[in-house]
Amino acid sequence: DAGITQSPRYKITETGRQVTLMCHQTWSHSYMFWYRQDLGHGLRLIYYSAAADITDKGEVPDGYVVSRSKTENFPLTLESATRSQTSVYFCASSPTAGAYNEQFFGPGTRLTVL
Amino acid sequence: QQQVKQSPQSLIVQKGGISIINCAYENTAFDYFPWYQQFPGKGPALLIAIRPDVSEKKEGRFTISFNKSAKQFSLHIMDSQPGDSATYFCAASIDSGGYQKVTFGTGTKLQVIP
Repeated sequence: DAGITQSPRYKITETGRQVTLMCHQTWSHSYMFWYRQDLGHGLRLIYYSAAADITDKGEVPDGYVVSRSKTENFPLTLESATRSQTSVYFCASSPTAGAYNEQFFGPGTRLTVL
Repeated sequence: QQQVKQSPQSLIVQKGGISIINCAYENTAFDYFPWYQQFPGKGPALLIAIRPDVSEKKEGRFTISFNKSAKQFSLHIMDSQPGDSATYFCAASIDSGGYQKVTFGTGTKLQVIP
């Protein structure tokens, strides 16, 4: 299917476990982003990537790791999950770095850390 | 540090009424102001956007009003419909080292009742 997909859609894990959230886009967009959405905070940027093998920190990167070996994939890993990382995670992509570019969001992954 | 403040947090409007959501920003370097609409269980999607050199932009029943001197902008939904029930996020973006860094407001949950 064309577009941007995330998996899994729902995940329950325990404190201290490693968990990876997957993101895949079929548009060959250069830019990809990971956000977390929490009540009272809106959407906050965790990491972004300008191209394969180029990543950089966003507003709330602590406790997260990303990689981008292929243009279409941008996995987000929680190395040792904490309860404060319970959230809904959204992946997004954007075609270029130019101004006024729309970000296209995936359907989200709801993560619960017990 | 909330650079984009959004109000109200929730809003209930009668069908056919006008829904108004307000946002204020601090950084005068922001150069693009998009609004995103999010339905339950879905990712946000771009609804309408405005540049700071324009005071108003209208697309169908949706209008952005922009007041550069007051550093405020608002979304007006005319003839609100039950299908407009969603969460709305204002945002502001700025060129940040090669990509458009987007700062989101905290969101407004709109319910349009028949």
